[in-house]
Amino acid sequence: GENVEQHPSTLSVQEGDSAVIKCTYSDSASNYFPWYKQELGKRPQLIIDIRSNVGEKKDQRIAVTLNKTAKHFSLHITETQPEDSAVYFCAASISSSASKIIFGSGTRLSIRP
Amino acid sequence: ETGVTQSPTHLIKTRGQQVTLRCSSQSGHNTVSWYQQALGQGPQFIFQYYREEENGRGNFPPRFSGLQFPNYSSELNVNALELDDSALYLCASSVEEWVDTQYFGPGTRLTVL
Repeated sequence: GENVEQHPSTLSVQEGDSAVIKCTYSDSASNYFPWYKQELGKRPQLIIDIRSNVGEKKDQRIAVTLNKTAKHFSLHITETQPEDSAVYFCAASISSSASKIIFGSGTRLSIRP
Repeated sequence: ETGVTQSPTHLIKTRGQQVTLRCSSQSGHNTVSWYQQALGQGPQFIFQYYREEENGRGNFPPRFSGLQFPNYSSELNVNALELDDSALYLCASSVEEWVDTQYFGPGTRLTVL
């Protein structure tokens, strides 16, 4: 079945440095790749998404890249700040429907002051 | 915050009991998906409802069932509760089944003793 793998599971970076989280997906028909940020006890919040007709997308300090051939996509956070500390999930749409998504297992990002 | 609401916030049940969780979708959204998020894991897709019909199901047994009402609010029912059903249950709504952007509710934390 469809699968999304996410690495690393934990990541600690110095404030101001960059953080990179990587994901791979199995379903070549997936065409929507959202990233969610989840703070402790709260709902997942969509922070950025990319569709298969685009290779890269940027929103201020956050960027996502997609390599359809290799079936992997990455989240890049630059100039990290303490409020970036959270669990980040990548996800990929299931081929049969754009609105059904499979999540990765999450990356716990900690920003060291 | 999104316009998606869920009730109750927390719930404690015992093994073998039945539970009903509720979700009110964002206004104008006719598609709702339900996810189970166990502690420390990513959300797992349970099923989706589109215009009151089940529209896809993840790897969950039949004791997980749902309903969607004409006003697009929805329910998740779980029968014969097991200890492993303890999790955060999230619903997410989207404008249409083929529209990928989803908005998550705050979740219901279910504890099965």
